Amino acid sequence: EAQVTQNPRYLITVTGKKLTVTCSQNMNHEYMSWYRQDPGLGLRQIYYSMNVEVTDKGDVPEGYKVSRKEKRNFPLILESPSPNQTSLYFCASSKGATLNYGYTFGSGTRLTVV
Amino acid sequence: QQQVKQSPQSLIVQKGGIPIINCAYENTAFDYFPWYQQFPGKGPALLIAIRPDVSEKKEGRFTISFNKSAKQFSLHIMDSQPGDSATYFCAASIRNTDKLIFGTGTRLQVFP
Repeated sequence: EAQVTQNPRYLITVTGKKLTVTCSQNMNHEYMSWYRQDPGLGLRQIYYSMNVEVTDKGDVPEGYKVSRKEKRNFPLILESPSPNQTSLYFCASSKGATLNYGYTFGSGTRLTVV
Repeated sequence: QQQVKQSPQSLIVQKGGIPIINCAYENTAFDYFPWYQQFPGKGPALLIAIRPDVSEKKEGRFTISFNKSAKQFSLHIMDSQPGDSATYFCAASIRNTDKLIFGTGTRLQVFP
Protein backbone atom coordinates (compact mmCIF):
# COMPACT_ATOMS: atom_id res chain seq x y z
CA GLU A 1 0.00 0.00 0.00
CA ALA A 2 1.30 3.43 -0.99
CA GLN A 3 1.71 5.48 2.13
CA VAL A 4 3.60 7.97 4.24
CA THR A 5 4.46 6.56 7.66
CA GLN A 6 5.21 8.76 10.64
CA ASN A 7 6.41 7.67 14.05
CA PRO A 8 5.54 8.05 16.80
CA ARG A 9 1.83 8.93 16.61
CA TYR A 10 1.88 10.50 20.06
CA LEU A 11 4.78 11.93 22.02
CA ILE A 12 5.00 13.74 25.34
CA THR A 13 8.38 15.18 26.19
CA VAL A 14 10.00 17.76 28.45
CA THR A 15 11.44 21.09 27.47
CA GLY A 16 14.95 20.81 26.08
CA LYS A 17 15.06 17.07 25.47
CA LYS A 18 16.05 16.40 21.88
CA LEU A 19 13.63 14.34 19.83
CA THR A 20 13.21 13.03 16.31
CA VAL A 21 9.99 12.31 14.45
CA THR A 22 10.54 9.89 11.61
CA CYS A 23 8.85 9.98 8.22
CA SER A 24 9.13 7.39 5.49
CA GLN A 25 7.38 7.04 2.13
CA ASN A 26 7.26 3.99 -0.14
CA MET A 27 6.19 5.75 -3.35
CA ASN A 28 9.62 6.87 -4.59
CA HIS A 29 8.48 10.48 -4.31
CA GLU A 30 11.08 13.18 -4.81
CA TYR A 31 9.34 15.91 -2.84
CA MET A 32 8.77 15.69 0.92
CA SER A 33 7.62 18.26 3.42
CA TRP A 34 6.78 18.80 7.08
CA TYR A 35 3.78 20.78 8.29
CA ARG A 36 2.44 21.68 11.69
CA GLN A 37 -1.28 22.07 12.29
CA ASP A 38 -2.57 24.38 14.99
CA PRO A 39 -6.18 25.44 15.69
CA GLY A 40 -7.13 28.54 13.76
CA LEU A 41 -3.82 28.59 11.88
CA GLY A 42 -4.28 25.72 9.46
CA LEU A 43 -1.28 23.88 8.08
CA ARG A 44 2.01 25.75 8.08
CA GLN A 45 5.08 24.45 6.31
CA ILE A 46 8.19 23.88 8.41
CA TYR A 47 10.73 22.47 5.93
CA TYR A 48 10.65 20.80 2.57
CA SER A 49 12.98 18.79 0.36
CA MET A 50 13.00 18.64 -3.42
CA ASN A 51 15.31 15.63 -3.49
CA VAL A 52 18.09 13.83 -1.62
CA GLU A 53 20.45 16.26 0.12
CA VAL A 54 18.28 19.23 -0.95
CA THR A 55 16.29 20.88 1.84
CA ASP A 56 14.89 24.36 2.36
CA LYS A 57 13.00 26.34 4.95
CA GLY A 58 9.27 26.71 4.87
CA ASP A 59 7.27 29.36 6.68
CA VAL A 60 7.97 28.36 10.31
CA PRO A 61 11.43 26.70 10.44
CA GLU A 62 12.67 28.11 13.75
CA GLY A 63 13.52 25.42 16.26
CA TYR A 64 13.46 22.57 13.75
CA LYS A 65 16.00 20.68 11.66
CA VAL A 66 15.60 18.14 8.89
CA SER A 67 17.80 15.88 6.81
CA ARG A 68 17.30 13.98 3.56
CA LYS A 69 20.04 11.38 3.25
CA GLU A 70 17.80 8.87 1.48
CA LYS A 71 14.92 9.45 -0.89
CA ARG A 72 12.37 7.63 1.26
CA ASN A 73 13.17 9.20 4.67
CA PHE A 74 12.75 12.75 5.92
CA PRO A 75 13.11 12.98 9.73
CA LEU A 76 12.14 16.08 11.69
CA ILE A 77 14.49 16.96 14.53
CA LEU A 78 13.74 19.21 17.50
CA GLU A 79 17.09 19.87 19.14
CA SER A 80 15.67 21.67 22.17
CA PRO A 81 11.88 21.46 22.19
CA SER A 82 9.86 24.22 23.83
CA PRO A 83 6.17 24.33 24.83
CA ASN A 84 5.31 26.49 21.80
CA GLN A 85 6.22 23.50 19.62
CA THR A 86 3.32 21.55 21.05
CA SER A 87 1.35 20.79 17.91
CA LEU A 88 0.11 18.20 15.44
CA TYR A 89 2.79 17.45 12.85
CA PHE A 90 2.30 16.03 9.38
CA CYS A 91 4.78 14.70 6.90
CA ALA A 92 3.79 14.78 3.23
CA SER A 93 5.27 13.61 -0.04
CA SER A 94 4.60 14.27 -3.70
CA LYS A 95 5.66 12.66 -6.95
CA GLY A 96 6.53 15.98 -8.46
CA ALA A 97 4.83 19.24 -9.25
CA THR A 98 1.72 19.53 -7.11
CA LEU A 99 -0.09 20.71 -10.18
CA ASN A 100 -0.58 17.15 -11.29
CA TYR A 101 -0.10 14.90 -8.32
CA GLY A 102 -1.00 16.51 -5.02
CA TYR A 103 0.41 15.60 -1.65
CA THR A 104 0.10 12.31 0.25
CA PHE A 105 0.04 12.98 3.97
CA GLY A 106 0.98 10.77 6.88
CA SER A 107 -1.42 10.20 9.78
CA GLY A 108 0.23 12.78 11.99
CA THR A 109 2.29 13.00 15.18
CA ARG A 110 0.76 14.75 18.14
CA LEU A 111 3.58 16.29 20.16
CA THR A 112 3.21 17.75 23.64
CA VAL A 113 6.14 19.59 25.20
CA VAL A 114 5.81 20.23 28.93
CA GLN B 1 0.60 38.07 -0.43
CA GLN B 2 1.35 34.45 0.25
CA GLN B 3 -1.81 33.96 2.30
CA VAL B 4 -4.93 32.08 1.45
CA LYS B 5 -7.90 33.31 3.48
CA GLN B 6 -10.60 30.75 4.22
CA SER B 7 -14.09 31.15 5.66
CA PRO B 8 -16.11 30.22 7.57
CA GLN B 9 -14.14 28.63 10.38
CA SER B 10 -16.99 26.22 11.07
CA LEU B 11 -20.19 25.22 9.35
CA ILE B 12 -23.18 23.18 10.44
CA VAL B 13 -25.74 21.91 7.93
CA GLN B 14 -28.44 19.30 7.81
CA LYS B 15 -28.23 16.25 5.60
CA GLY B 16 -29.02 17.19 2.02
CA GLY B 17 -27.92 20.79 2.44
CA ILE B 18 -25.25 22.47 0.29
CA PRO B 19 -22.41 23.78 2.42
CA ILE B 20 -20.19 26.35 0.73
CA ILE B 21 -16.63 27.11 1.83
CA ASN B 22 -14.89 30.18 0.47
CA CYS B 23 -11.25 31.06 -0.09
CA ALA B 24 -9.52 34.19 -1.34
CA TYR B 25 -5.95 34.96 -2.34
CA GLU B 26 -3.83 37.92 -3.38
CA ASN B 27 -0.86 36.44 -5.18
CA THR B 28 -1.66 36.30 -8.91
CA ALA B 29 1.22 33.86 -9.40
CA PHE B 30 -0.87 31.12 -7.79
CA ASP B 31 -2.05 28.75 -10.48
CA TYR B 32 -3.13 25.56 -8.77
CA PHE B 33 -5.94 25.42 -6.22
CA PRO B 34 -6.61 22.11 -4.47
CA TRP B 35 -8.98 21.25 -1.67
CA TYR B 36 -8.05 18.75 1.01
CA GLN B 37 -10.37 16.82 3.30
CA GLN B 38 -9.28 15.74 6.77
CA PHE B 39 -11.10 13.31 9.06
CA PRO B 40 -10.31 13.21 12.80
CA GLY B 41 -7.09 11.34 13.51
CA LYS B 42 -6.07 11.30 9.86
CA GLY B 43 -3.87 13.35 7.58
CA PRO B 44 -5.43 15.58 4.93
CA ALA B 45 -6.27 13.91 1.63
CA LEU B 46 -6.61 15.53 -1.79
CA LEU B 47 -10.29 15.95 -2.65
CA ILE B 48 -10.43 18.01 -5.83
CA ALA B 49 -8.29 20.63 -7.56
CA ILE B 50 -8.68 23.31 -10.21
CA ARG B 51 -6.52 25.46 -12.44
CA PRO B 52 -7.43 29.10 -13.13
CA ASP B 53 -8.18 28.51 -16.81
CA VAL B 54 -11.54 26.94 -15.89
CA SER B 55 -14.37 28.45 -13.86
CA GLU B 56 -15.83 25.25 -12.45
CA LYS B 57 -14.89 21.65 -11.83
CA LYS B 58 -17.12 18.84 -10.58
CA GLU B 59 -16.18 15.51 -9.12
CA GLY B 60 -19.17 13.61 -7.82
CA ARG B 61 -20.95 15.75 -5.24
CA PHE B 62 -18.01 18.16 -4.89
CA THR B 63 -17.71 21.28 -7.05
CA ILE B 64 -15.06 23.98 -7.15
CA SER B 65 -16.11 27.37 -8.46
CA PHE B 66 -13.30 29.70 -9.46
CA ASN B 67 -13.47 33.46 -10.04
CA LYS B 68 -10.13 34.59 -11.40
CA SER B 69 -10.94 38.30 -11.52
CA ALA B 70 -12.07 38.32 -7.90
CA LYS B 71 -9.24 35.99 -6.85
CA GLN B 72 -11.70 33.76 -5.05
CA PHE B 73 -12.61 30.12 -5.18
CA SER B 74 -15.12 28.02 -3.31
CA LEU B 75 -16.06 24.43 -2.56
CA HIS B 76 -19.69 23.32 -2.80
CA ILE B 77 -20.85 19.96 -1.47
CA MET B 78 -24.11 18.88 -3.07
CA ASP B 79 -26.55 16.68 -1.13
CA SER B 80 -24.26 16.67 1.91
CA GLN B 81 -24.13 13.53 4.05
CA PRO B 82 -23.07 12.90 7.66
CA GLY B 83 -20.00 11.12 6.23
CA ASP B 84 -18.87 14.45 4.77
CA SER B 85 -18.31 15.77 8.30
CA ALA B 86 -14.62 16.69 8.29
CA THR B 87 -12.25 19.63 8.18
CA TYR B 88 -11.72 21.10 4.72
CA PHE B 89 -8.64 23.05 3.67
CA CYS B 90 -8.21 25.11 0.55
CA ALA B 91 -4.71 25.63 -0.75
CA ALA B 92 -2.77 27.33 -3.52
CA SER B 93 0.58 26.93 -5.18
CA ILE B 94 2.71 28.63 -7.78
CA ARG B 95 3.47 27.02 -11.15
CA ASN B 96 6.41 24.61 -11.14
CA THR B 97 6.86 24.69 -7.41
CA ASP B 98 5.78 22.04 -4.93
CA LYS B 99 5.02 24.49 -2.16
CA LEU B 100 1.40 24.52 -1.05
CA ILE B 101 0.00 27.41 0.99
CA PHE B 102 -2.99 26.23 3.02
CA GLY B 103 -6.00 28.11 4.32
CA THR B 104 -6.89 27.93 7.99
CA GLY B 105 -9.50 25.20 7.55
CA THR B 106 -13.28 24.84 7.90
CA ARG B 107 -14.82 22.31 10.22
CA LEU B 108 -17.99 20.98 8.62
CA GLN B 109 -20.62 19.08 10.55
CA VAL B 110 -23.51 17.48 8.70
CA PHE B 111 -26.37 16.35 10.93
CA PRO B 112 -28.84 13.60 9.94
